Amino acid sequence: SQQGEEDPQALSIQEGENATMNCSYKTSINNLQWYRQNSGRGLVHLILIRSNEREKHSGRLRVTLDTSKKSSSLLITASRAADTASYFCAPLNWGNQFYFGTGTSLTVIP
Amino acid sequence: EPEVTQTPSHQVTQMGQEVILRCVPISNHLYFYWYRQILGQKVEFLVSFYNNEISEKSEIFDDQFSVERPDGSNFTLKIRSTKLEDSAMYFCASMGGRTNEQFFGPGTRLTVL
Repeated sequence: SQQGEEDPQALSIQEGENATMNCSYKTSINNLQWYRQNSGRGLVHLILIRSNEREKHSGRLRVTLDTSKKSSSLLITASRAADTASYFCAPLNWGNQFYFGTGTSLTVIP
Repeated sequence: EPEVTQTPSHQVTQMGQEVILRCVPISNHLYFYWYRQILGQKVEFLVSFYNNEISEKSEIFDDQFSVERPDGSNFTLKIRSTKLEDSAMYFCASMGGRTNEQFFGPGTRLTVL
């Protein structure tokens, strides 16, 4: 399936540190997207990277994509307490529906 | 900024009752989705809808579920006879035709007693 699997399952860091989370998937893709979910809330779109891109930046977010390894990483620099949330990757090829993994639960300690 | 809205925010129902969850997608979007998230578990795809018909559905989306776009703005999910295991957060999402970004609503928490 197109499901992405995030790693690690849980990550706890101090405010100001960088947070890196990884995503692996199994099929070929057109693009890969990262979403954030605060506890009990809907998912918020963070960033989209296309299959022909290797790296993309948006504010404090940096996403990389390695299609040969079928993997992606999300780096959040200078983390803040407000970044505490679960993060999901969503690889997309055919169709438009996402099959989400279990996510990385990030806790940023003030 | 346009957003997806969902009503109600919380719905409590008795097992066996019918429920309708409502969503108002972003106005110029063409693709609509329902997902659900059982407490503590991952977000699961239920169904996608395009051009007034279902384009894809998961095995969760059995005969008890149906979707409808009754007018130009609402997108509804109906569960005909709710079961205890239908208790979950239900998220609606919509997507325009130009990008693959899906915009999610805040969810409806369904509790089946």
